[in-house]
Amino acid sequence: EDKVVQSPLSLVVHEGDTVTLNCSYEVTNFRSLLWYKQEKKAPTFLFMLTSSGIEKKSGRLSSILDKKELFSILNITATQTGDSAIYLCAGGGATNKLIFGTGTLLAVQP
Amino acid sequence: EAQVTQNPRYLITVTGKKLTVTCSQNMNHEYMSWYRQDPGLGLRQIYYSMNVEVTDKGDVPEGYKVSRKEKRNFPLILESPSPNQTSLYFCASRRDSRIVSWEQYFGPGTRLTVT
Repeated sequence: EDKVVQSPLSLVVHEGDTVTLNCSYEVTNFRSLLWYKQEKKAPTFLFMLTSSGIEKKSGRLSSILDKKELFSILNITATQTGDSAIYLCAGGGATNKLIFGTGTLLAVQP
Repeated sequence: EAQVTQNPRYLITVTGKKLTVTCSQNMNHEYMSWYRQDPGLGLRQIYYSMNVEVTDKGDVPEGYKVSRKEKRNFPLILESPSPNQTSLYFCASRRDSRIVSWEQYFGPGTRLTVT
């Protein structure tokens, strides 16, 4: 059965800290891994990764995929209170549907 | 503005009273789907549609129906809601099923409570 596991489940940091969120996956005929940010509303798209070792960056956020070890990480540097959210990871495979992890709840304290 | 809209945003209902949650997208997307989100279980797909008149079950389809008569609309129907369908529901769309267009756009969510 396909699955995506995220860790940690929750994390509390202070502003300015750097955090690393983890996502491991087992997805049949894996094609892509996606990261979303969910505040008190709908998830919003962050990154889509399809190739190993190629870092994607957007401001203070970056992500990379390791298709050999079946995991991805999402890094956030110099965290701000506005980064507080649930971060969702999802894997896409042969079935055309995304398998979501349960998310990591990040709280950034001032 | 490109968006996915859902209505209602909040709904409290009683067991057995049929309800419909509407979903509409204005991006001419082929692929649409419904998810429910529950604490500790993440987002789980209920139904999806690859195009007009083409729908298929996701991971948790029991107790739900959908239809796709037009490209822009994908309503979720609960014929006889039960308390275990209390959840946060999201509609989502993406351009098509090809890998290059797998970025999904989510609606704002519908919080449903069934008493």
